[in-house]
Amino acid sequence: EDQVTQSPEALRLQEGESSSLNCSYTVSGLRGLFWYRQDPGKGPEFLFTLYSAGEEKEKERLKATLTKKESFLHITAPKPEDSATYLCAVRGAMNSGYSTLTFGKGTMLLVSP
Amino acid sequence: GAVVSQHPSWVICKSGTSVKIECRSLDFQATTMFWYRQFPKQSLMLMATSNEGSKATYEQGVEKDKFLINHASLTLSTLTVTSAHPEDSSFYICSAPGHLGNTIYFGEGSWLTVV
Repeated sequence: EDQVTQSPEALRLQEGESSSLNCSYTVSGLRGLFWYRQDPGKGPEFLFTLYSAGEEKEKERLKATLTKKESFLHITAPKPEDSATYLCAVRGAMNSGYSTLTFGKGTMLLVSP
Repeated sequence: GAVVSQHPSWVICKSGTSVKIECRSLDFQATTMFWYRQFPKQSLMLMATSNEGSKATYEQGVEKDKFLINHASLTLSTLTVTSAHPEDSSFYICSAPGHLGNTIYFGEGSWLTVV
C-alpha cells in the first residue's frame, strides 16, 4: 500500500524567511510524485510532477526536489500570498492504467507580513 | 485558467433528497475522471474512478448505490449523492489526467451541506 507522510503539519514563517516542506513516501514503483497547492475551500492547484531521484523543478519561489524516499518543497523568500496548504501525492505502479493518487495530509503554510 | 470545472460550487439540500455534481474537462477529453472527498483539515480520499462508456470503479467502503457516477461523454462525469444525509456533507472534488497523465488537474470542488 502506498503511503505519504508530510511534515510539518503546519508551518508559520515571516515574509522572506525561507524554509522547506517534507514529503516522505513509500510506493511500489514510483510513477510520479505530485505537489499541489490548495487554498481554503478550493480544489488543489497543480505545481510539479517529479519522476526520478535527483530531479528538480522550479516555479517562482518554489523548488521541488526528489530522492528515493522523500521530496522537499523549498520556499525561498516567501510572501503572504504563498500561504496555503501544500499537498504531496504519489502514483505507484500498482495503479497501472489509472492516474489515481495517494495523498498526504498536507502542510498548512502561513506567511506573515 | 481552470482546465477542469465543477458545478455547483456549493449546494445545500434537505436530508433524503438527491443532489448531482458535474465535472467537466475543458478543451481536452478525459476518458477517466476521479472523484475525491475531503473533510476539513483532512487529505483527499479517492471515492471512485469514473470511466467513459463503462461502469465506475469504487474504492473499498464507498457505497456505489449511494454515490452514483455517470461518465456520459469524454468531457463530463457526474456524481449523484442519493438520499443524502447530514454525514454526507463534505467537499467533493473531481480530477482528470492531462495529456499522457503527466499532470492531473483538479476541479474547484463542490461543497455539499445536507440539512
